[in-house]
Amino acid sequence: DQQVKQNSPSLSVQEGRISILNCDYTNSMFDYFLWYKKYPAEGPTFLISISSIKDKNEDGRFTVFLNKSAKHLSLHIVPSQPGDSAVYFCAASLNNFNKFYFGSGTKLNVKP
Amino acid sequence: NAGVTQTPKFQVLKTGQSMTLQCAQDMNHNSMYWYRQDPGMGLRLIYYSASEGTTDKGEVPNGYNVSRLNKREFSLRLESAAPSQTSVYFCASSESDRVIYEQYFGPGTRLTVT
Repeated sequence: DQQVKQNSPSLSVQEGRISILNCDYTNSMFDYFLWYKKYPAEGPTFLISISSIKDKNEDGRFTVFLNKSAKHLSLHIVPSQPGDSAVYFCAASLNNFNKFYFGSGTKLNVKP
Repeated sequence: NAGVTQTPKFQVLKTGQSMTLQCAQDMNHNSMYWYRQDPGMGLRLIYYSASEGTTDKGEVPNGYNVSRLNKREFSLRLESAAPSQTSVYFCASSESDRVIYEQYFGPGTRLTVT
């Protein structure tokens, strides 16, 4: 059973608007969360992370929010750009940082 | 810096054949990983190596073996390939003593078993 879930396989957003990608997890012991972006025929690349001791982390146009009580995190991209079109994976880790559990990904399409 | 490199990029095997997927990193990272990506499943950890000389099972280790040859190289072996092992395989590495534990991924190997 997947411990990290991304329930929206795809999302389409107009350029300049906000993209919100969601991720839910079941294991309350997860203490570190990351978002990766993946283009076709390439490996995933790290985007942004958040520790469970925080509820928000911001890096330029990207902000990750963590709601521990709801076991939910989200990635906000503002403003969205066509180059952001990719598959986004969330991942979670226990205090053993060698094991990460990935969601199934959300394909974001930003329309010009 | 090449980062993480994987060979081959593509491979077609017949059921029962064996092969080794190669991975190397030039970032002096301690930890290395093998994942497989299947449609609708995300990335699932097959094996990982926290440091040179150690390996541990991930979520889906059955049918695979690994070797951490040295700090740079981590190979994945399929002894008797099965159609269920058709997938895209990614190798990754990370530096385990940094604050941000992001993993750096290779470009992937697309394997088809017929």
